[in-house]
Amino acid sequence: AQSVTQLDSQVPVFEEAPVELRCNYSSSVSVYLFWYVQYPNQGLQLLLKYLSGSTLVESINGFEAEFNKSQTSFHLRKPSVHISDTAEYFCAVSPGGGNKLTFGTGTQLKVEL
Amino acid sequence: GAGVSQSPSNKVTEKGKDVELRCDPISGHTALYWYRQSLGQGLEFLIYFQGNSAPDKSGLPSDRFSAERTGGSVSTLTIQRTQQEDSAVYLCASSLDSSSGNTIYFGEGSWLTVV
Repeated sequence: AQSVTQLDSQVPVFEEAPVELRCNYSSSVSVYLFWYVQYPNQGLQLLLKYLSGSTLVESINGFEAEFNKSQTSFHLRKPSVHISDTAEYFCAVSPGGGNKLTFGTGTQLKVEL
Repeated sequence: GAGVSQSPSNKVTEKGKDVELRCDPISGHTALYWYRQSLGQGLEFLIYFQGNSAPDKSGLPSDRFSAERTGGSVSTLTIQRTQQEDSAVYLCASSLDSSSGNTIYFGEGSWLTVV
């Protein structure tokens, strides 16, 4: 079985500041890692994913996440946030042999002027 | 290019009544998933279907919950004798198949309120 921990339920940050949303996971098997974003009144959308290869993965809107196997982490970062990044962010894992996602409890990112 | 479609978008029902929630996956997607999103519980896996294989029902919280998928496409999640703790957003998702790493696309959810 897998589990995902997102320690920060809310992260307030000023526009143009950097941000890091933390994600740690636990699993007895190899996993794939995902970040999903849920904008206000919208459904979940895939932001980025790590399957294999380079441990640093990037999204089209400037977010990046780095898979750290020794620390079992997949933290999400952005060097300069915008108001439009205000959303809830969910970290998720799936086992290497299947596609069933286990989600963290989410982190609400609130970007302020 | 329609995404995952769910209906109804909102449902208010009285405690004890049965409800049906419908999901129309992306055309050509053989894997279909149901999740529940509730305050304080995050996103919980309920059930998933892959083609004609037996569904993985390991996440269904009680025997009041059931789901079926007809013709390998549309799915219905049924909750019998609803309770107030069933109030949540029920999310449906689909992917090309259940191979590891395939992107899972989510619908906008059905908000269920049990009063």
